Amino acid sequence: DAGITQSPRHKVTETGTPVTLRCHQTENHRYMYWYRQDPGHGLRLIHYSYGVKDTDKGEVSDGYSVSRSKTEDFLLTLESATSSQTSVYFCAISLSDNQPQHFGDGTRLSIL
Amino acid sequence: AQKVTQAQTEISVVEKEDVTLDCVYETRDTTYYLFWYKQPPSGELVFLIRRNSFDEQNEISGRYSWNFQKSTSSFNFTITASQVVDSAVYFCALSVGFGNEKLTFGTGTRLTIIP
Repeated sequence: DAGITQSPRHKVTETGTPVTLRCHQTENHRYMYWYRQDPGHGLRLIHYSYGVKDTDKGEVSDGYSVSRSKTEDFLLTLESATSSQTSVYFCAISLSDNQPQHFGDGTRLSIL
Repeated sequence: AQKVTQAQTEISVVEKEDVTLDCVYETRDTTYYLFWYKQPPSGELVFLIRRNSFDEQNEISGRYSWNFQKSTSSFNFTITASQVVDSAVYFCALSVGFGNEKLTFGTGTRLTIIP
């Protein structure tokens, strides 16, 4: 366990509702990431942050926004959830851009 | 664009057998890093190893070993004397350039060790 807590761990919601997932770290790492894991795709990067208020897009950023107001928290928001966003979401952290990423336990999100 | 291919979707071996998981990557960059992660049935992702493109030395860690061959763009992972606890999905990943912030993952290989 790399000091990463994802919340909630499971969530079921309806299409069109907003959803926010939280990633909290106690490691004081500069970089934080959000991935989604889907069968047949492995993990794909959604967004990442390289510091407070500094974020950048990943491979599959459409439909997602992120915010980082504190070093320890990185929020992923689905403004209007769609069924295609049903997935397992992983948060990761790294000390710098040149260090391996360490992952949280994941959040299983189901959108009906 | 870069790509990671793990052609073996699922592998089953009997306990104590050796098993090799294949990873083939594609990139035009000369500087890159390769990774292996393990995802046990409990679901978390565990970092196993990172290798950079300038270091083709093979690595051994206990029962685990990694064979990096730039000539074939492969970074294969071998488990010797497999154990039931090795049952997991294993992911190979690639990042290009000096930064590791954008990982491209393969689709994973599900390894089942039969007692």
